[in-house]
Formats: sequence, C-alpha cells, structure tokens
Amino acid sequence: QSVLTQPPSASGTPGQRVTISCSGSTSNIGSNTVFWYQQLPGTAPKLLVSSTNQRPSGVPDRFSGSKSGTSASLAISGLQSEDEADYSCAAWDDSLNGYVFGAGTKVTVL
Amino acid sequence: EVQLLESGGDLVQPGGSLRLSCAASGFTFSSYVMSWVRQAPGKGLEWVSLINTAGGTLHAGSVRGRFTISRDNSKNTLFLQMNSLTDEDTAVYYCVRGDKRAGWNSWGQGTLVTVSS
Repeated sequence: QSVLTQPPSASGTPGQRVTISCSGSTSNIGSNTVFWYQQLPGTAPKLLVSSTNQRPSGVPDRFSGSKSGTSASLAISGLQSEDEADYSCAAWDDSLNGYVFGAGTKVTVL
Repeated sequence: EVQLLESGGDLVQPGGSLRLSCAASGFTFSSYVMSWVRQAPGKGLEWVSLINTAGGTLHAGSVRGRFTISRDNSKNTLFLQMNSLTDEDTAVYYCVRGDKRAGWNSWGQGTLVTVSS
C-alpha cells in the first residue's frame, strides 16, 4: 500500500484538461517538494514537473504542478494522444527518512 | 549527454545474492546524490536506496539490512549489493540521479532482477 494516494485512472478527450491528485501527510507533501514522473509503456520514468511548477527543459508547458497543504496536483491541458501514460507522484518523507511514491495513475486519451 | 547504464540483473534463487552496477557518464558523478528505484511487474515505483556525495547511505525499510548501496567515484559507478533475496524483490531496478530538491532528472533504462526457484 502506497504512502501517497492517487486515483488509479483518469481519462479525457483530445484537447481536454485532466487533473490528477496526490494526497499525503505533513511529513511528506506538507514539508517537501512533490515531483511528478511520466512513464510511457515499456520505458523508464521521466521527470515531468514539480509542485513548484518547475519543468525540465523539453517538457511542454501543458503540464503543470501545484501543491496545497498535504495534497498536490498534476494538470495536463490540451490533452494529446501521446500523453497516454502512467503518472506517479513522489516526495521525501521526513518521518520515514526516505522517498515515498503514489501507486500511479493511468491516463487514457479517449 | 547524461547516461546511466545499469547491469547485473539476472534470475536468482530465493535466498541468493546479486550485485547491480550503474555506469554513469556525461556529468560529474561525484557531485550528485544517486539512488536505486525499483518497479515490480505491473506495480508502482518504489525507492530502494540512496547514497549522498559524502558516501552516506539510506535504505527503504523493506530492504534495510539486506541491501547495500555504494559508489566508486573513480570509476563513475554506482552499486547495489542485494543479499537474502525473496520473490518480493523481483523488479526492474533503475539507477537515478537527483535529490529531494531537484527530483530524479536522469534515469537509466533499468535492469531486471527475477527471484524464483
């Protein structure tokens, strides 16, 4: 059972906005930056965006991250077919003294 | 270009040992915190171990006492020594670069460890 809680699935039609939530506690999301990772089928995960909305170069600004209290969110605007992937949130946990993950959310483009 | 290349994954019997390696290139290896992250078949990601630039280490509770992370900065290589393996350790193991402030911005392609009799 994952420390961070994500919905197992999300979907939308091309062009729509999809939001994925990630819920935690004061020792992880409440105290540290949350990072979102995208994993396309059969490939290694890739850093997508942080909860301070920092994106590595090359990541489209359609992807945005935010945080409020002990919850974080990933928003995908202008959904595209190539966005079909698994999305996982992760953060450092001060109590566990290690990183914790969500179980991942599978995004389907209808 | 940053490259992380894992090796050492194999089929091993329960109770056995395995040593994973990760060859790093394209950046100053000694200046970065490195970690191992794993993913069991059909499951989510799980952080395994971390080593900082001073050689300090941390391990997830599920592997503490069985796994040891280490690094050889002279050879730009990260290691994971895995002992007393169980079927729950079956996973793809990824070598990653980064820390809790910047995130893991570089990942290897992964190496598969299968624990089975």
